Amino acid sequence: GAGVSQSPRYKVAKRGQDVALRCDPISGHVSLFWYQQALGQGPEFLTYFQNEAQLDKSGLPSDRFFAERPEGSVSTLKIQRTQQEDSAVYLCASSEWGQGTDTQYFGPGTRLTVL
Amino acid sequence: GQNIDQPTEMTATEGAIVQINCTYQTSGFNGLFWYQQHAGEAPTFLSYNVLDGLEEKGRFSSFLSRSKGYSYLLLKELQMKDSASYLCAVRASGGYQKVTFGTGTKLQVIP
Repeated sequence: GAGVSQSPRYKVAKRGQDVALRCDPISGHVSLFWYQQALGQGPEFLTYFQNEAQLDKSGLPSDRFFAERPEGSVSTLKIQRTQQEDSAVYLCASSEWGQGTDTQYFGPGTRLTVL
Repeated sequence: GQNIDQPTEMTATEGAIVQINCTYQTSGFNGLFWYQQHAGEAPTFLSYNVLDGLEEKGRFSSFLSRSKGYSYLLLKELQMKDSASYLCAVRASGGYQKVTFGTGTKLQVIP
């Protein structure tokens, strides 16, 4: 079946612009995660959804970052007034339940470059 | 919180065996993952250990010692395509069981 998809794959923004990154999880997966990955680093947790409920947003670096999953499927990560330090790859992952031996399946990521 | 340590880089020869270590300190533990990530691509699942011992899957094996906070990923019969970053990740206990990733080990396989 189809895996996790993300769009756009690449995004270049001027400092101060707003951006929206989309994630389409595997159909039927309850849990959805967003991560930020800097070059040469592991993924850093941003936020977690269980269906449409955002249960953990402790990893969002500032109030410029906002995520939603209104119908419990597609999710959007929005970054307002982008800064150069926001440049990174943003990974989305989904899992069937998010518990037990559940595995997270990752999308290809969106590489954001802020000039 | 979680603290995960793994070597930054390793180099190994094609056909050889390499062991990538991961140590962790955690306030609650409910399993350890290994992921492979090729440059510019998404992490892909390799293994999951929740009990002590060795899990073998073809050329890849993963070991866990919960008492020592230690895991390793063993890659046998190395191939050039195994050149990638290998991410160790720990799942917390309780709640929705958040997963925390290490910084990854970049493995270069040379002829």
